[in-house]
Amino acid sequence: GQQLNQSPQSMFIQEGEDVSMNCTSSSIFNTWLWYKQDPGEGPVLLIALYKAGELTSNGRLTAQFGITRKDSFLNISASIPSDVGIYFCAGMDSSYKLIFGSGTRLLVRP
Amino acid sequence: DSGVTQTPKHLITATGQRVTLRCSPRSGDLSVYWYQQSLDQGLQFLIQYYNGEERAKGNILERFSAQQFPDLHSELNLSSLELGDSALYFCASSPWSRPGGQGEDYGYTFGSGTRLTVV
Repeated sequence: GQQLNQSPQSMFIQEGEDVSMNCTSSSIFNTWLWYKQDPGEGPVLLIALYKAGELTSNGRLTAQFGITRKDSFLNISASIPSDVGIYFCAGMDSSYKLIFGSGTRLLVRP
Repeated sequence: DSGVTQTPKHLITATGQRVTLRCSPRSGDLSVYWYQQSLDQGLQFLIQYYNGEERAKGNILERFSAQQFPDLHSELNLSSLELGDSALYFCASSPWSRPGGQGEDYGYTFGSGTRLTVV
């Protein structure tokens, strides 16, 4: 089935540093979404991308939908301790199912 | 509070047993999706219901089944449980069977999950 390769698997950074993570797919997606999951909670939508090449920001978060429609990246600027969590990319396939990446675990050192 | 309610929050049961997980979607949402998240893994799509009908199926085991009732709540039934079924089970809802029907955002809204432990 369809798979998303998300990297890195984990990151341990200093507060204030910028973070970058990405997802690649062998298949084309029509929509890319980025979610954050806090411990014991369900994923929460951060950013949705609907068009190839689209660059969207949400506060300190910026995400881009790759031109080939097979990749996306998420940047977090000036990280803070509450950014800790697991970040998932998700692609929406042609049957409108969300396919999730394996997640990037982010730890922020104060 | 996301508006999607899942019960119970935790469930511990023995191998071979059967359990039912319940999900109430966000008010007005017609679609319910079930996902399984094993330890340190991503979310695996199980099944989708839209307005009472099965709409899409993922890698759902034959021992698992689901339904969506007229009031739009959904139940996921897991039977003949095995140790490997231990996981977080998430329900998500969205307004549409497919996104973009009314120009709304495409993201699903997730509940906080049911943690199933099979011992």
